Amino acid sequence: NAGVTQTPKFRILKIGQSMTLQCTQDMNHNYMYWYRQDPGMGLKLIYYSVGAGITDKGEVPNGYNVSRSTTEDFPLRLELAAPSQTSVYFCASSYRANTEAFFGQGTRLTVV
Amino acid sequence: QQQVKQSPQSLIVQKGGISIINCAYENTAFDYFPWYQQFPGKGPALLIAIRPDVSEKKEGRFTISFNKSAKQFSLHIMDSQPGDSATYFCAASFENYGGSQGNLIFGKGTKLSVKP
Repeated sequence: NAGVTQTPKFRILKIGQSMTLQCTQDMNHNYMYWYRQDPGMGLKLIYYSVGAGITDKGEVPNGYNVSRSTTEDFPLRLELAAPSQTSVYFCASSYRANTEAFFGQGTRLTVV
Repeated sequence: QQQVKQSPQSLIVQKGGISIINCAYENTAFDYFPWYQQFPGKGPALLIAIRPDVSEKKEGRFTISFNKSAKQFSLHIMDSQPGDSATYFCAASFENYGGSQGNLIFGKGTKLSVKP
């Protein structure tokens, strides 16, 4: 099983550019999440989804958008990249609330 | 009320020693308390988790102690090994609270170094 797969692993963006971070899971999990991790700050929730067609904002949603057209995929869109979006992004999934969350390997994004 | 406070930020332990990391929370609606382990360049992975109906859970060398009245929980790593060197995150979540279903709220992490 691949688990949670994120692409790309690394990316450098210029200020104002846009990009999509891809996330796919093969565990048939309904719940999917996007977190960002900044040094010394833990992980902050950006967006989450409890099933296909259902998404909602987390703690730090500004500057991001998501969609969930299938159970497997949960892409994160960055519009008009800013230096404050330099971070490591993690996608995760879980079978249901309050159970083990499985994380991808992360995408390291630098905005210059 | 949504915060989970974790200490210490960093910890150095000798091989064979006991590593202890502490977390505190305010929101009594939390009902799931996992610990995640993260190695450099990797995503976090679940290490051990506890629910508030028990005061302790042990899995191998790893133990969670949970004090519901004090709103605190801690991770104990017995016989610490160099391979345990990683960053550890405590977290908390609730089944359904204000629409935030099961979203993990993380502490800021503890970087553990186990010296040989």
